[in-house]
Amino acid sequence: GAGVSQSPRYKVTKRGQDVTLRCDPISSHATLYWYQQALGQGPEFLTYFNYEAQPDKSGLPSDRFSAERPEGSISTLTIQRTEQRDSAMYRCASSLAEHTGELFFGEGSRLTVL
Amino acid sequence: QQQVKQSPQSLIVQKGGISIINCAYENTAFDYFPWYQQFPGKGPALLIAIRPDVSEKKEGRFTISFNKSAKQFSLHIMDSQPGDSATYFCAAKEVGAGNMLTFGGGTRLMVKP
Repeated sequence: GAGVSQSPRYKVTKRGQDVTLRCDPISSHATLYWYQQALGQGPEFLTYFNYEAQPDKSGLPSDRFSAERPEGSISTLTIQRTEQRDSAMYRCASSLAEHTGELFFGEGSRLTVL
Repeated sequence: QQQVKQSPQSLIVQKGGISIINCAYENTAFDYFPWYQQFPGKGPALLIAIRPDVSEKKEGRFTISFNKSAKQFSLHIMDSQPGDSATYFCAAKEVGAGNMLTFGGGTRLMVKP
């Protein structure tokens, strides 16, 4: 695609529900990242994929968070048993390769947990 | 803990003035320092970046100044324009860390006409 596409743009859920966010990266990009951005803060790294491999998931805040990229293209981020503190903007980014430097960000998925 | 500290949190500049945003870091393993610009409702977009082997990089009205010994770097926007009004994030990447960026907290810049 022309840019990084994320869905849904907005998600409101009740505490305890599971949510899944989707990211469709730029088609030629090997590497995909998930970041969490609280209001008024900079993005914080969650995890990344190089094709379908997930070399680093050190930023995932708990085992309730998981991500997949089974075919090396589209990725999903799943949050199980959501808590209010999970409310944030979740941003996906992609880059051409693992060490090229420039990340291209999507417009994000804003999650609100009531 | 915040590995990249950014200041100020907000900045108001008159059109034509110079906007200066500062960042400081502690991790000496950082080897790449980009600045991202974010408009409301959009994702951050790369503006300009520098590696620690140079002290300054200029692209049009945007300049990064880098002080390796002080572990500080700054973004200067010359002849600031209302269209520059956005949130700016500095970031840093460790050697061998893929493209995992550590971001500063952001600076909301408003350029008044």
